[in-house]
Amino acid sequence: KAGVTQTPRYLIKTRGQQVTLSCSPISGHRSVSWYQQTPGQGLQFLFEYFSETQRNKGNFPGRFSGRQFSNSRSEMNVSTLELGDSALYLCASSLVFGNTEAFFGQGTRLTVV
Amino acid sequence: GDSVTQMEGPVTLSEEAFLTINCTYTATGYPSLFWYVQYPGEGLQLLLKATKADDKGSNKGFEATYRKETTSFHLEKGSVQVSDSAVYFCALIPTGNQFYFGTGTSLTVIP
Repeated sequence: KAGVTQTPRYLIKTRGQQVTLSCSPISGHRSVSWYQQTPGQGLQFLFEYFSETQRNKGNFPGRFSGRQFSNSRSEMNVSTLELGDSALYLCASSLVFGNTEAFFGQGTRLTVV
Repeated sequence: GDSVTQMEGPVTLSEEAFLTINCTYTATGYPSLFWYVQYPGEGLQLLLKATKADDKGSNKGFEATYRKETTSFHLEKGSVQVSDSAVYFCALIPTGNQFYFGTGTSLTVIP
């Protein structure tokens, strides 16, 4: 059974640009959550999607957005990139919303220069 | 609010030494508790979990017991190996909501 797939693995962008990251959950899983990991702030929750609807949102500015498609794949978008957005972005897949069994992808390493 | 406080690292141990990484939490209700492990360049892997008080989670020789009276979920292993070198995260989910993670504890095991 394939795990959570995040693409791309690495990304370098320039300040002011926008970026889109992709997450394909485990087959049959319908809930996808996103987390930002930085050395200074640790792991912080961005948002969670279930059945194409955002169910929960963390404390991030509106430049961070996401969506989920009917096949449960999810994308997150960051607009007007700042240096501080450099981080490892992790996606977690769960069977249903609120399920405590979450499986993480390997992450996308975003570097903003 | 909900939070996790985790033992600061880094921790360096010799192979076969005993490991304890302390984790305490603050949460309303009855959260589920987790330990995740992150190897270099990788995402998070679930190591073990406990969903109610007095539950003991265990996996690969690691154990942690959900102690509601002390709001703790300390990770232990009797004999660490070089391959256990990684960063360990304690986390909680308060009744089906998002994860709250600790800051992580880096463990290095030397031969």
